[in-house]
Amino acid sequence: SSELTQDPAVSVALGQTVRITCQGDSLRNYYASWYQQKPGQAPVLVIYGKNNRPSGIPDRFSGSRSGNTASLTITGAQAEDEADYYCNSRDSSGNPVVFGGGTKLTVL
Amino acid sequence: QLQLQESGPGLVKPSETLSLTCTVSGDSISSSDYYWGWIRQPPGKGLEWIGIFYYSGSTYYNPSLKSRVTISVDTSKNQFSLKLSSVTAADTAVYYCARGAYYSGSEPFDSWGQGTLVTVSS
Repeated sequence: SSELTQDPAVSVALGQTVRITCQGDSLRNYYASWYQQKPGQAPVLVIYGKNNRPSGIPDRFSGSRSGNTASLTITGAQAEDEADYYCNSRDSSGNPVVFGGGTKLTVL
Repeated sequence: QLQLQESGPGLVKPSETLSLTCTVSGDSISSSDYYWGWIRQPPGKGLEWIGIFYYSGSTYYNPSLKSRVTISVDTSKNQFSLKLSSVTAADTAVYYCARGAYYSGSEPFDSWGQGTLVTVSS
């Protein structure tokens, strides 16, 4: 079982805003990183740190944190944003890595 | 441009040892700016970290796999390797190698290999 909890599935209408959340005790002390994974492809980092986007990631992707919950927000979701999204951080037991179970985003 | 490439057998028999190598180009695995690791993904399931290592030599393994995992490093070839012993069908997965980076308050995997599918079957 994962120490980072994500909703299994979320849907959003094309062009609307969606928030994907990740809950875990370790997120009180560490920021979550977020990855987008499309079928048959390796994960791609989309958000890290307080709210940083790697080069090439559209600015419709943003990150935030409140208490033990990290959020990935897509403002104006596009069809190409349909993918699985994973959060990652340290865990509360001292292990350097933990992944959330993933959220499947459907763009309607 | 950084590239990570996994290589190794795509089929392993139950109870045997899975061995994979990650060849890195465009960066040195000896750099203190990054760490390196292995992550896997069973078919249709989520990501699971296997282990990571730092330039200092420290290595950390997922507690659920620790008794069966070894990560080794060959700096002369800019490669690192994974060995997972006593495999079962539950170890069937796409195995990724990745580079981790340090940022204030987070340590994301910022570059990934394309992944290699390893099937455990007799």
